[in-house]
Amino acid sequence: DGGITQSPKYLFRKEGQNVTLSCEQNLNHDAMYWYRQDPGQGLRLIYYSQIVNDFQKGDIAEGYSVSREKKESFPLTVTSAQKNPTAFYLCASSKLADSYEQYFGPGTRLTVT
Amino acid sequence: DAKTTQPNSMESNEEEPVHLPCNHSTISGTDYIHWYRQLPSQGPEYVIHGLTSNVNNRMASLAIAEDRKSSTLILHRATLRDAAVYYCILRDNNNDMRFGAGTRLTVKP
Repeated sequence: DGGITQSPKYLFRKEGQNVTLSCEQNLNHDAMYWYRQDPGQGLRLIYYSQIVNDFQKGDIAEGYSVSREKKESFPLTVTSAQKNPTAFYLCASSKLADSYEQYFGPGTRLTVT
Repeated sequence: DAKTTQPNSMESNEEEPVHLPCNHSTISGTDYIHWYRQLPSQGPEYVIHGLTSNVNNRMASLAIAEDRKSSTLILHRATLRDAAVYYCILRDNNNDMRFGAGTRLTVKP
């Protein structure tokens, strides 16, 4: 089945540790995105990538880093510089950057204590 | 950036139509209106989108005001599985999508 997978579903880390969230898609989509969602709020864009080896900052990129070495993979690293990392993280992809539909993964809920 | 305003919550009875409103008074001429919905603990899913004309698909209908300053998502017969948070989003020339808090739809049996 084609789709987007994120792993793990739940992740727990101690404060001060970097953590990498996985996002893989087998839809052959060019564009991929990372969003953050806090309780009761909408999604905010962290980073996006329109093509392999290229990515741009979204609205809240500080404290995060990404890479896009392969078309199907777009991992997100939450660094220790991110002041409030506990959140629900959602990865999405679209066929092209200007495609009207984004496909979302199931999300990773990160808790940092 | 143009923003959208939606009610925080709405209720509907099962098998009745639901009209979810969205105001976007600062919409620009090239902004597309998108609707996504998010079920609990899941990622959002695309529902429908439009520019000027009303749109229909298998999930819903989108009615866009003539001045484009508001739109309404219409679910023709709500089911319990339609209970979700519905987001009205404007997509600009940069293809950025900015999600607000959305409308939480509760469907009562």
